[in-house]
Amino acid sequence: DQQVKQNSPSLSVQEGRISILNCDYTNSMFDYFLWYKKYPAEGPTFLISISSIKDKNEDGRFTVFLNKSAKHLSLHIVPSQPGDSAVYFCAASGSGGGADGLTFGKGTHLIIQP
Amino acid sequence: NAGVTQTPKFQVLKTGQSMTLQCAQDMNHEYMSWYRQDPGMGLRLIHYSVGAGITDQGEVPNGYNVSRSTTEDFPLRLLSAAPSQTSVYFCATGEAWETQYFGPGTRLLVL
Repeated sequence: DQQVKQNSPSLSVQEGRISILNCDYTNSMFDYFLWYKKYPAEGPTFLISISSIKDKNEDGRFTVFLNKSAKHLSLHIVPSQPGDSAVYFCAASGSGGGADGLTFGKGTHLIIQP
Repeated sequence: NAGVTQTPKFQVLKTGQSMTLQCAQDMNHEYMSWYRQDPGMGLRLIHYSVGAGITDQGEVPNGYNVSRSTTEDFPLRLLSAAPSQTSVYFCATGEAWETQYFGPGTRLLVL
């Protein structure tokens, strides 16, 4: 039973346009959400996070939106750049910094077209 | 990936062999964990540790063993390798679970 779902295995976006990556979760105990970016043959790199007490967090070109009632979050990248081409993983963690690690989605492969 | 090192980068094993994947960090992080990534799958938690001397099982612990004798090191042991353990293994560390920093990974092939 997948608790974190990324339903789009891949997404192609033109350079300069907005990229929107989506993530849904089923476990209502999750209270912290993260996005990781992964290039081939490298480990995932932390990108941005959001606590469940917020509905938006921005960091430069990256914005994460959280809709708790819908159990949905999204990552917006504006404007998209060629270096953004990578696999993006959505991840979630439980309440109180619970010692149960991160639960990951299967990832979305973002391809930025020139 | 700065501060988290994993060795080896690549390993081929025969079924039944044992080996240890090494993970070391120099950031004095209490939280360390091991994940595996399989094609078309997200990362799945194998084992984790919240500090020296403390370890616990994650989602897919069978066939793996860990220990945490120091803050810096968190080795993952495969007791008797099986083809199903062919995967890419990532070690991660952090001051808390909320943000984990990943190593570059170890690619393991079990024949």
